[in-house]
Amino acid sequence: NAGVTQTPKFQVLKTGQSMTLQCAQDMNHNSMYWYRQDPGMGLRLIYYSASEGTTDKGEVPNGYNVSRLNKREFSLRLESAAPSQTSVYFCASSDRDRGKTEAFFGQGTRLTVV
Amino acid sequence: AQSVTQPDIHITVSEGASLELRCNYSYGATPYLFWYVQSPGQGLQLLLKYFSGDTLVQGIKGFEAEFKRSQSSFNLRKPSVHWSDAAEYFCAVGGFLNYGGATNKLIFGTGTLLAVQP
Repeated sequence: NAGVTQTPKFQVLKTGQSMTLQCAQDMNHNSMYWYRQDPGMGLRLIYYSASEGTTDKGEVPNGYNVSRLNKREFSLRLESAAPSQTSVYFCASSDRDRGKTEAFFGQGTRLTVV
Repeated sequence: AQSVTQPDIHITVSEGASLELRCNYSYGATPYLFWYVQSPGQGLQLLLKYFSGDTLVQGIKGFEAEFKRSQSSFNLRKPSVHWSDAAEYFCAVGGFLNYGGATNKLIFGTGTLLAVQP
């Protein structure tokens, strides 16, 4: 039982390049999330998917797109990377149960945009 | 607006000393409250959670937290800190909102970095 798996773990991009961060969970959770973590700012929600087939913007969605491919997978795409997107990205999932939103996190992707 | 405040950015305690990390929240409904811990280079691990009932909740690794509705607080405590507790700690809030929209979103505080002196 792997939990939440993110790939890649590390990535360096040049400004303007694109890439997709992959996330998969094997806990049969309905909800999935993408957060970014920056020093002194905690975790900020980029996008979330409350259930398969739906996605919604979070606190900092600009410059990102997401795809909820199926119940297991939720990908985050940077179409044209910028240095401001240098961050650690975490994917998480939770089982929607009347708002009891205990989330399980992946190990993170450390992204550097140069 | 919903928010979580962790007023202490950095705390240093001696090994064996007691610990209290503060968390205050602003939320428009009955909150569900969480504490997560993040070791360097790792993801977040759930320490404990409060949904309802007894306001003193026990978690893993000897941690506990107390929900005080009147103070909008959910402070994390440990009676005797171990060197392995050095990490960053995040408080988070989630749950249904009053205006009828259910949300699964978690709102995180900015974290408290704990250092443990030998």
